[in-house]
Amino acid sequence: DQQVKQNSPSLSVQEGRISILNCDYTNSMFDYFLWYKKYPAEGPTFLISISSIKDKNEDGRFTVFLNKSAKHLSLHIVPSQPGDSAVYFCAARRNNNDMRFGAGTRLTVKP
Amino acid sequence: KAGVTQTPRYLIKTRGQQVTLSCSPISGHRSVSWYQQTPGQGLQFLFEYFSETQRNKGNFPGRFSGRQFSNSRSEMNVSTLELGDSALYLCASSVTGLNEKLFFGSGTQLSVL
Repeated sequence: DQQVKQNSPSLSVQEGRISILNCDYTNSMFDYFLWYKKYPAEGPTFLISISSIKDKNEDGRFTVFLNKSAKHLSLHIVPSQPGDSAVYFCAARRNNNDMRFGAGTRLTVKP
Repeated sequence: KAGVTQTPRYLIKTRGQQVTLSCSPISGHRSVSWYQQTPGQGLQFLFEYFSETQRNKGNFPGRFSGRQFSNSRSEMNVSTLELGDSALYLCASSVTGLNEKLFFGSGTQLSVL
């Protein structure tokens, strides 16, 4: 059962523009959400996270928004850079005993 | 500080065989979790070990098992391999568990023929 869904397998954006990656979840018990970035032949690396008690968290060019009523979170990258081209996974955690990942979205930033 | 190390990097097995994958966490990290990555399915949680005990488990059959040693190194074993077990297996470590950001290894690419 896919409790965390990333419905867009790929996204292409021009350098300097905004990239918006979306993630939906079904389990209202999730209390912590994370985004990971993965380059080919490497393991995922942590990017940014947000607690369920917040609706926004910002770190440099990366901002994560959480809409609990819609069970939706999004990652905004502004401005997008070619080095941001990677696969992005969203993840949701419940009570420190379960971690669910989405299928990933491949972001391509064109120069 | 050395990162998470997984060995081997690549593995080819045939159906019915069994395989053991190894993961060395970052020094000081006591939690090790394992994930299976397949195209279209993302990362699926297998299990988590903390202080040599399996603390959490995902929805995988009993053919998938693991263990953790006193130095926090972990192994994952898959018995009676099936074609569908072909995947990238990733392990991740953290200091205390799934309540913080995880540090991933580069994974073991398993191909079952």
